[in-house]
Amino acid sequence: QKEVEQNSGPLSVPEGAIASLNCTYSDRGSQSFFWYRQYSGKSPELIMFIYSNGDKEDGRFTAQLNKASQYVSLLIRDSQPSDSATYLCAVGRDLPGSARQLTFGSGTQLTVLP
Amino acid sequence: DGGITQSPKYLFRKEGQNVTLSCEQNLNHDAMYWYRQDPGQGLRLIYYSQIVNDFQKGDIAEGYSVSREKKESFPLTVTSAQKNPTAFYLCASSIGLAEGYEQYFGPGTRLTVT
Repeated sequence: QKEVEQNSGPLSVPEGAIASLNCTYSDRGSQSFFWYRQYSGKSPELIMFIYSNGDKEDGRFTAQLNKASQYVSLLIRDSQPSDSATYLCAVGRDLPGSARQLTFGSGTQLTVLP
Repeated sequence: DGGITQSPKYLFRKEGQNVTLSCEQNLNHDAMYWYRQDPGQGLRLIYYSQIVNDFQKGDIAEGYSVSREKKESFPLTVTSAQKNPTAFYLCASSIGLAEGYEQYFGPGTRLTVT
């Protein structure tokens, strides 16, 4: 059974703090890992992707991947009220051909308090 | 502007009626996907297509049908056989599997069946 688990939250952090979002997955064959941000009533927006073990930084966002522990995380530094959203972790498995199936967690709701 | 469009944004139907959701992309992407999102849950894959006139079932294809007559278009029909059709439907596309070629989502169609 392929599963992606996230703490549903809600997670509240003060403005300027670091928000830490975690995700575990069960399929050891997973090859790619994604974080999407979803504002209420809107579609998911890709903010980070990571394919290799270690850290990947992009601006205020850092994604961390540990394939041995089947764990991926997202750190948001200097959190802003505009970061308040639901963050979806997705795990990718390549399909025959050029497609990829994403399996999503149920999301972590983040609130950044002014 | 390049992107993925979905129409309509909101759709209301009576139980027992088939309904077709539109998805168009002008990104020249080969792969297109349909996902469904229920409140408080992650996205689940319904169907995907990698080339014109070919498509494959995802995890929850029962009660749905698709077509891919043009590269740019991937409409989804929700049939009367779908037991719980009320949901947020999201179309996505991607150009390939290499790092950097990720799945991007359209704005979504919120379907309500009563």
